[in-house]
Amino acid sequence: DTGVSQNPRHKITKRGQNVTFRCDPISEHNRLYWYRQTLGQGPEFLTYFQNEAQLEKSRLLSDRFSAERPKGSFSTLEIQRTEQGDSAMYLCASSLASSGGETQYFGPGTRLLVL
Amino acid sequence: AQTVTQSQPEMSVQEAETVTLSCTYDTSESDYYLFWYKQPPSRQMILVIRQEAYKQQNATENRFSVNFQKAAKSFSLKISDSQLGDAAMYFCAYWRDGKLTFGQGTILTVHP
Repeated sequence: DTGVSQNPRHKITKRGQNVTFRCDPISEHNRLYWYRQTLGQGPEFLTYFQNEAQLEKSRLLSDRFSAERPKGSFSTLEIQRTEQGDSAMYLCASSLASSGGETQYFGPGTRLLVL
Repeated sequence: AQTVTQSQPEMSVQEAETVTLSCTYDTSESDYYLFWYKQPPSRQMILVIRQEAYKQQNATENRFSVNFQKAAKSFSLKISDSQLGDAAMYFCAYWRDGKLTFGQGTILTVHP
């Protein structure tokens, strides 16, 4: 049973560049989530999908951020025109939707540094 | 909006002793779930324990147990017989409508 995987694990970019991260969920999981975590803080919800449908987006997700899950399997998170404030750990999680409160399983994260 | 507060930025415990991590939350909902997650240094977040708000019985997982006080909106985590491998950042989280709201975290140090 493979867990949630994320690539790349680390990304250094210059301000103004675009970056894309990938998340591969646990295979039978139909829900996929993106969170952002800054140093010493708890993760903050960004968005989530059920299958290929994006069900909710946080106000934190500015127009420069876009997420997709085209075939209901892996997902990508793209940040356009990166800013130094985008530096953070981007976490992906997946779950199997149930009647409520299903456990979310987290990946190792992608650490982004914007110079 | 729901908020989750962990008032203890850092805690320490001696190996084999017991420690309790505090968490309070604010919500107007009656149906929700609460979680404790553990994030070891440079490693991924893993589930410690889960509690359904409609259940009065406190959840237990081996050495980990919770004290869930719904009226007080309090959800503390007790770790018994602490082990060196318990050292990590611990996050309390509130689940509602598919998403988790996390607290700021508590760094737990375990002394041998």
